[in-house]
Amino acid sequence: EADIYQTPRYLVIGTGKKITLECSQTMGHDKMYWYQQDPGMELHLIHYSYGVNSTEKGDLSSESTVSRIRTEHFPLTLESARPSHTSQYLCASSEYQTGTDTQYFGPGTRLTVL
Amino acid sequence: DAKTTQPTSMDCAEGRAANLPCNHSTISGNEYVYWYRQIHSQGPQYIIHGLKNNETNEMASLIITEDRKSSTLILPHATLRDTAVYYCIVKSHQGAQKLVFGQGTRLTINP
Repeated sequence: EADIYQTPRYLVIGTGKKITLECSQTMGHDKMYWYQQDPGMELHLIHYSYGVNSTEKGDLSSESTVSRIRTEHFPLTLESARPSHTSQYLCASSEYQTGTDTQYFGPGTRLTVL
Repeated sequence: DAKTTQPTSMDCAEGRAANLPCNHSTISGNEYVYWYRQIHSQGPQYIIHGLKNNETNEMASLIITEDRKSSTLILPHATLRDTAVYYCIVKSHQGAQKLVFGQGTRLTINP
């Protein structure tokens, strides 16, 4: 089993609030990712990181920002939440070794913005 | 990354083998075939992956055709807890490393 954790698991918040979704992994993986998934829809990559102080935007445009100050920690922040941000956010991590670069996912954070 | 084609849904009886097909006719030589599943909108769970040889682990077997244009995930003795959406993904170990999730196959295991 993968050791990757996300908090909170569920969050209901009002419009305009600043929120930070936490993601941490204890596997020492260099790469970390954030995906967004609407109910019944596909996952879309919104941010990723190759290592400490590295962050990149994914394919899906997102108003969120990320930081990678420590290897094990990859928080996602929304400065001003809006109802359009309502979605599930999934964090993942991976480490390249010969023949494998498997991404392991956390349980997700289900965000509802009222 | 190459795209994949999977059936939208499949049914299988509990205790029987579930065989999930995937077409990836445009796969490149350095791209691997990965399988994940997602149960009830939880985080996707890694199942298995391979390059060109058949693979087996404690969860499943992966059969890749010789031309690598298609593959089959086999759950040898399906249980009710195997009901999930199964995703077949092809990707290299270079570049952006993203996983491109399509619609997947909704597998229902019936008692």
